Amino acid sequence: GAGVSQSPSNKVTEKGKDVELRCDPISGHTALYWYRQSLGQGLEFLIYFQGNSAPDKSGLPSDRFSAERTGGSVSTLTIQRTQQEDSAVYLCASSSAGPRKGNTIYFGEGSWLTVV
Amino acid sequence: TQLLEQSPQFLSIQEGENLTVYCNSSSVFSSLQWYRQEPGEGPVLLVTVVTGGEVKKLKRLTFQFGDARKDSSLHITAAQTGDTGLYLCAGALGAAGNKLTFGGGTRVLVKP
Repeated sequence: GAGVSQSPSNKVTEKGKDVELRCDPISGHTALYWYRQSLGQGLEFLIYFQGNSAPDKSGLPSDRFSAERTGGSVSTLTIQRTQQEDSAVYLCASSSAGPRKGNTIYFGEGSWLTVV
Repeated sequence: TQLLEQSPQFLSIQEGENLTVYCNSSSVFSSLQWYRQEPGEGPVLLVTVVTGGEVKKLKRLTFQFGDARKDSSLHITAAQTGDTGLYLCAGALGAAGNKLTFGGGTRVLVKP
């Protein structure tokens, strides 16, 4: 598709289980972001990939969170041993370059994660 | 405390009225963006401002970037019900300006 694609769109998991969230960025976009958004709130930065550079992982809230980007395209965000406070919408975004000079960033529709 | 503070957090107005949303920080941003988000969707970019003092107009929306590049405002004239949504400001930070930091959002409700 033409936009950023995320899967699954909804995920309900039991506390303690691991989950994987997938992001397919727009073709050719070198920059990829993961954000987390609690209900009706602003976005919390998680991780940023840019080309072959080392990712900026400074936003990951704990070592239970990790992300990979294979071949400079698809990215997977993994949450291990999920906790109820991990419940949120996880948004992926991509752009043709970093945001410094205001490059347009395109967001996916998000993966709604509920930990019960 | 968030790096980007938005105010107000919630705004309810009647159709036809004007509104202003503010985005403030003590940090300097290389660029600042405004997004609008509707329920169940990702944020959609409205505008990017790059130069201190810059003013951009998009139909009924006016965006301003502070001279010091630390703050911004969004003004909507003659609001319509279709303007209802969550408005988010986001600033690019860091030496390479790669980290996009978001404000907490302003939820706008325009009543008919």
